[in-house]
Amino acid sequence: GNSVTQMEGPVTLSEEAFLTINCTYTATGYPSLFWYVQYPGEGLQLLLKATKADDKGSNKGFEATYRKETTSFHLEKGSVQVSDSAVYFCALSESNNDMRFGAGTRLTVKP
Amino acid sequence: SAVISQKPSRDICQRGTSLTIQCQVDSQVTMMFWYRQQPGQSLTLIATANQGSEATYESGFVIDKFPISRPNLTFSTLTVSNMSPEDSSIYLCSVGEPRVGYTFGSGTRLTVV
Repeated sequence: GNSVTQMEGPVTLSEEAFLTINCTYTATGYPSLFWYVQYPGEGLQLLLKATKADDKGSNKGFEATYRKETTSFHLEKGSVQVSDSAVYFCALSESNNDMRFGAGTRLTVKP
Repeated sequence: SAVISQKPSRDICQRGTSLTIQCQVDSQVTMMFWYRQQPGQSLTLIATANQGSEATYESGFVIDKFPISRPNLTFSTLTVSNMSPEDSSIYLCSVGEPRVGYTFGSGTRLTVV
């Protein structure tokens, strides 16, 4: 079945460092891919998405490119801020009632 | 995108009791989804709730333990019944189209003692 494998955390970075969180997926067809963010004490928020191969999703300085050849959707940001500290979830959806989430990666950014 | 009001935000309950979680959406939606997020873990889908029909439960979740109501297109409840400490989790409702993306409620943090 469909699944998402996400880089294990936690990840600790200094402010202004470069961020990469790896995500690979397994799917039978052509899924849509997502990154969600969960700030402390809150629900998940959709951060960005891509619906087909080679699409790049971007938001708030974060970006991820849908790579079909490597079945990947890695999250990147060139310069992280303390306010980016949160848990990040990679997810995929291929059908009308099935969103699969990765295990989540906790990011802590230190000043 | 839709705005979801979920309550309670947190509760501490005695084992053997039940808790009902409510989600109110500011627009009409076809599908609502209920997830469980156990401490430090990812989200697991409990069930999908469609208005006018019985909820569809995922493997490992049963209606007797997690009864769901969906009386209209803007509201749903999830009840956690006969609770045990293993039910301590964050419970989240969400709406949206799977290929487009979901909006989540702020979650209910449940502790069973």
